[in-house]
Amino acid sequence: GIQVEQSPPDLILQEGANSTLRCNFSDSVNNLQWFHQNPWGQLINLFYIPSGTKQNGRLSATTVATERYSLLYISSSQTTDSGVYFCAAPISGGGADGLTFGKGTHLIIQP
Amino acid sequence: KAGVTQTPRYLIKTRGQQVTLSCSPISGHRSVSWYQQTPGQGLQFLFEYFSETQRNKGNFPGRFSGRQFSNSRSEMNVSTLELGDSALYLCASSPGTATGELFFGEGSRLTVL
Repeated sequence: GIQVEQSPPDLILQEGANSTLRCNFSDSVNNLQWFHQNPWGQLINLFYIPSGTKQNGRLSATTVATERYSLLYISSSQTTDSGVYFCAAPISGGGADGLTFGKGTHLIIQP
Repeated sequence: KAGVTQTPRYLIKTRGQQVTLSCSPISGHRSVSWYQQTPGQGLQFLFEYFSETQRNKGNFPGRFSGRQFSNSRSEMNVSTLELGDSALYLCASSPGTATGELFFGEGSRLTVL
C-alpha cells in the first residue's frame, strides 16, 4: 500500500509566525486529505485536496500529485492552531479501501 | 446538522472481556469507517460499512468485528481484549466511499487493564 511521510515531526513556533507542513506519498493517489487533531482527540477535516490549491481562512493546502507531495500552510499562527496535523491518502492509492495516515506533525504555538 | 456521535467516550475493561462501541454518522451519510489510534502504530484503518455491508477491511485479527444497521448507525466489537487493544477508536462518516471526505467523531478511548 501507499506510504505517507510527514515532516517535520515536531514544530514549535511563536504566535503570529507562518508554517509549512509537508506530506510525501510513495505512489499516485486519487485524493489527499489533511486533518487537525484537537487536544480532545477529534480529527477535524481541513482539506480534501486531490490536486491543486485550496484556501480556508489562514490555512491553505497545495497538492502536486505528479510529484507526490502536499503542503499545508498556516499563516499568522494562533495558540488554537496547536495540535497534531495529519495527512492521509487511500491505502491502495487509487481505490476506495480506507485511508492510510502519516505519523503527523505535532505543532505547538507559544503565546 | 449534527456531527458524528460516538459512545461511550471513555471506558475501562480488563483482559479477556469484550467491548462494543457505537457510532452514529452524520444524517444522510451511508459510509461508516472505523480507525484505531495508538502511540506506537498511529492511525490504522479497521473496516468500513456501507448499506449494512462490510465493504473494506484493514489488517486486524478476527477479534475485531463490526456491523451497520439500516439507519446507518454502526457498532464495532472487540472480543477477548488484550492489553494492546488500549487505544482511541475513531469513527468517520462519509456520503460515499471510505476514501471520500471523512468526518470524524470524538472517539472512544478504551483502556484495557
